[in-house]
Amino acid sequence: EAGVVQSPRYKIIEKKQPVAFWCNPISGHNTLYWYRQNLGQGPELLIRYENEEAVDDSQLPKDRFSAERLKGVDSTLKIQPAELGDSAVYLCASSYTGLAEYTLSSYEQYFGPGTRLTVT
Amino acid sequence: TQLLEQSPQFLSIQEGENLTVYCNSSSVFSSLQWYRQEPGEGPVLLVTVVTGGEVKKLKRLTFQFGDARKDSSLHITAAQPGDTGLYLCAGAANFGNEKLTFGTGTRLTIIP
Repeated sequence: EAGVVQSPRYKIIEKKQPVAFWCNPISGHNTLYWYRQNLGQGPELLIRYENEEAVDDSQLPKDRFSAERLKGVDSTLKIQPAELGDSAVYLCASSYTGLAEYTLSSYEQYFGPGTRLTVT
Repeated sequence: TQLLEQSPQFLSIQEGENLTVYCNSSSVFSSLQWYRQEPGEGPVLLVTVVTGGEVKKLKRLTFQFGDARKDSSLHITAAQPGDTGLYLCAGAANFGNEKLTFGTGTRLTIIP
């Protein structure tokens, strides 16, 4: 079974330029997460989707970041314009959240390899 | 805001030695997970603990959830070079809320 797929793996852009990251979650996973991870630190949640609905975007800097998950499968995270401080690894993760009750598997998130963004 | 502090931040030991990594918080978590992350890859889930005092073993790795569900530890016996990586703990505040708060991470290096 394929894992979480992200592209591109690496991106170098100049500040003020736009950039977009793409994520394809594990088949059947209805919950999708975007995280940002700074060097040597733990990931920080940016946004969480349940199907196509963004249920938690409280940590997303909405002035320059946007995300979408059309049709409840693939997702795109965009930054426009990028700033130097946006340099980080952007991770996508997915999980399955059952509709009837929450089980242990709801917390088991599977991560993609990430996109390393460098803003110069 | 729930915070998870991990210690030590960095650890470098010889192959064959034992080690313990700690994850502490002032908040109570309904469940806690441990992940290992290698360079250029995303974190990989190792274990989930949900019951206060719970102990889980995964080969040479032993995970413990504190009685009050505020802290956890990861003990590795006879460390091997393949154990090298960034170890992250992550806690979920409530059942029904899949939002994980990740710890600050422990970078472990096992020297052959």
